[in-house]
Amino acid sequence: EAQVTQNPRYLITVTGKKLTVTCSQNMNHEYMSWYRQDPGLGLRQIYYSMNVEVTDKGDVPEGYKVSRKEKRNFPLILESPSPNQTSLYFCASTLAGNYNEQFFGPGTRLTVL
Amino acid sequence: GDSVTQMEGPVTLSEEAFLTINCTYTATGYPSLFWYVQYPGEGLQLLLKATKADDKGSNKGFEATYRKETTSFHLEKGSVQVSDSAVYFCALTNTGNQFYFGTGTSLTVIP
Repeated sequence: EAQVTQNPRYLITVTGKKLTVTCSQNMNHEYMSWYRQDPGLGLRQIYYSMNVEVTDKGDVPEGYKVSRKEKRNFPLILESPSPNQTSLYFCASTLAGNYNEQFFGPGTRLTVL
Repeated sequence: GDSVTQMEGPVTLSEEAFLTINCTYTATGYPSLFWYVQYPGEGLQLLLKATKADDKGSNKGFEATYRKETTSFHLEKGSVQVSDSAVYFCALTNTGNQFYFGTGTSLTVIP
């Protein structure tokens, strides 16, 4: 089954404790992206990657890091999480070019205390 | 910069009512426009899209027309069902790598 998976689905952590949210897709998509969803703000793009070893900032990259060492994986790293990073996070992937449909993962709900 | 403005919700309709959710955008050039739907507890799914002016996207009874003159992409459905209850997001991209989403409009359809 074609899908985007994220782990963990739920995470409660404390300020300053490094964490990684994993994202993996099995559709051989070149493009992957991370978003955060907050009430009243919709989805905002954090980082995106056009292919392996190619990443770029979206609208709200501060406090986040990403890496793209393999085509299928695109982890989101919070080196020192803060309470304002409490949010619902979505990973998405698509074929590069031509503004194709993005396929979204199920989301990761993160709470930073 | 590029942005999307969506009609605020929540919207509550009776089954078989007509639905319109307004979406306007600000962008340079000729962006591609999308409507995504999010059902409770799930990720977003593409509902429909339009990639050039005057294109009409349609799917599952939903329609939206890309109007460059009014910079709009309003979502419509002639007769909503309870199963259409969800959050709807308007989105655009100019480059195919940076995407801008609206704030989302929650729709509840009551029997």
